[in-house]
Amino acid sequence: DMKVTQMPRYLIKRMGENVLLECGQDMSHETMYWYRQDPGLGLQLIYISYDVDSNSEGDIPKGYRVSRKKREHFSLILDSAKTNQTSVYFCASSSGTGAETLYFGSGTRLTVL
Amino acid sequence: GDQVEQSPSALSLHEGTGSALRCNFTTTMRAVQWFQQNSRGSLINLFYLASGTKENGRLKSTFNSKESYSTLHIRDAQLEDSGTYFCAALHSNYQLIWGSGTKLIIKP
Repeated sequence: DMKVTQMPRYLIKRMGENVLLECGQDMSHETMYWYRQDPGLGLQLIYISYDVDSNSEGDIPKGYRVSRKKREHFSLILDSAKTNQTSVYFCASSSGTGAETLYFGSGTRLTVL
Repeated sequence: GDQVEQSPSALSLHEGTGSALRCNFTTTMRAVQWFQQNSRGSLINLFYLASGTKENGRLKSTFNSKESYSTLHIRDAQLEDSGTYFCAALHSNYQLIWGSGTKLIIKP
């Protein structure tokens, strides 16, 4: 079964704390993504990863970094979280160079107090 | 920059009826994907089209790259079709550009 798994589903952190969002996929997809979605808005690309240790900035990378040490795992890290990083974060994966169908995880709702 | 304009921004339908959602592109795109974001917030891929038309159950999508648009037709709408529908177009530089979504409400 094709699946993208995100952990945790909900997370509350205080401003200045570090945040780790994890994403896994079981489809051996080369390309993985991190998006954020704010209320009433579409998706904004934070980072894209084309394979292990091959990561590129998306449209809004400031305040975030990523790590991809295994093809099936892609992590999003917030060093010293800010209140304006409160959002819903989605991970996605696709095969090839990213020009194929995206499969999304169920999202992580992050609240930074 | 190059954009994807999605319309309408909101739509209300009675069960059993149908309608069309549309995405217009400001430049030639390679392909388009359609997603439904359901009431639980999950994003479900509906279609991927590089050209032509695809159909799946009560949904049908068309992508016309020459005329720079794509449509998603819903027929015989059901309550579970409620949600927000997004299109995402694949630019010639392989960047994925998202529309701002159509919020669809299905009424009994």
